[in-house]
Amino acid sequence: GAGVSQSPRYKVAKRGQDVALRCDPISGHVSLFWYQQALGQGPEFLTYFQNEAQLDKSGLPSDRFFAERPEGSVSTLKIQRTQQEDSAVYLCASSLFRHQETQYFGPGTRLLVL
Amino acid sequence: QKEVEQDPGPLSVPEGAIVSLNCTYSNSAFQYFMWYRQYSRKGPELLMYTYSSGNKEDGRFTAQVDKSSKYISLFIRDSQPSDSATYLCAMSAPQNGNNRLAFGKGNQVVVIP
Repeated sequence: GAGVSQSPRYKVAKRGQDVALRCDPISGHVSLFWYQQALGQGPEFLTYFQNEAQLDKSGLPSDRFFAERPEGSVSTLKIQRTQQEDSAVYLCASSLFRHQETQYFGPGTRLLVL
Repeated sequence: QKEVEQDPGPLSVPEGAIVSLNCTYSNSAFQYFMWYRQYSRKGPELLMYTYSSGNKEDGRFTAQVDKSSKYISLFIRDSQPSDSATYLCAMSAPQNGNNRLAFGKGNQVVVIP
């Protein structure tokens, strides 16, 4: 079946521009996670949704980062007034149940802020 | 100190060799331990997961967890060029109400034919 998909795959933004990154999780998956992966590093947790409820946003690096999942399926990560340090790969993952340990990752969106 | 430490040094081995990777961690609440494989410009792919301490084998892959030492390992036997990728250890404590994963930095492994 279809896995987790993300769009766009690549995004180049000028410093100060707003960007929106989309995640389509596996159909029926309850939990959805966003991670940020800097070059040469492991992914770092950003935020977690259970259905439409954002239960943990403790990893968001600043108030310029905002995520939503209004209908409990597709999620959008928005970054306002992008900065060069926001350049990274943004990964989305979903899992079937609330405490299901297997998270399935999408291919990521590679963001470059110039 | 990061929750999960993984020496990020690249590793080059000849085809057929055993690859040995490991991570240490500081959070004793971690209960699930995973290894992900990540090919260049792709998302991480789950390779192995283990609940609590013990060993788990799947084909050429063996994962070991020693909770008393807060140390986990991954062994790849009879390594193949297709095993060339970055290997990430990851851990979670879902009993805390959130299955967020804490990752190591990753090891880039190159298997030379």
